[in-house]
Amino acid sequence: DADVTQTPRNRITKTGKRIMLECSQTKGHDRMYWYRQDPGLGLRLIYYSFDVKDINKGEISDGYSVSRQAQAKFSLSLESAIPNQTALYFCATSDLGGVETQYFGPGTRLLVL
Amino acid sequence: QKEVEQDPGPLSVPEGAIVSLNCTYSNSAFQYFMWYRQYSRKGPELLMYTYSSGNKEDGRFTAQVDKSSKYISLFIRDSQPSDSATYLCATRGIQGAQKLVFGQGTRLTINP
Repeated sequence: DADVTQTPRNRITKTGKRIMLECSQTKGHDRMYWYRQDPGLGLRLIYYSFDVKDINKGEISDGYSVSRQAQAKFSLSLESAIPNQTALYFCATSDLGGVETQYFGPGTRLLVL
Repeated sequence: QKEVEQDPGPLSVPEGAIVSLNCTYSNSAFQYFMWYRQYSRKGPELLMYTYSSGNKEDGRFTAQVDKSSKYISLFIRDSQPSDSATYLCATRGIQGAQKLVFGQGTRLTINP
């Protein structure tokens, strides 16, 4: 089984709808991240969490919210989806110290109509 | 100006060629430098990392950091079609809780 899983893998929704993307990990890491990836813009950090009680905004948090339900679960919500939130979304985890290698999930492809 | 700049390509080379992928960065506090590889419809995976300046070699891959010019390079020797992917450079500082800063990614195709 994959260490970092994301659901759903693909989602089509309409403008104004609320949607949630879920991430689970079995690596036992405290640190979790949500990124979006757009062509030509690379990976941009939306939110990150260094433990269950710690939530921090990334560079593009407007229009998004997160919930860290447990060490292993980190969810991303779009309260009212808009077309420019169409993107590929990745969850990642990392260990503490040193290089802090980030381990990515397979991604969720989101289309907002 | 983005903290890490990377030419998005696309870059297309014949099999067996030497590939050079590059990034520049602006923050002199960055100390860890990484290359992630992302295959189509997959999440990025760490390929190599270096700490501070210097070279690091792993098989056909060499990562190079020149902190004086704030330049990061990845060289691929004897390139193979299986190396076709998007390559993202990333960097972070050393103090406290540091986040990774990614380049835009370069899409590479190795033609048989």
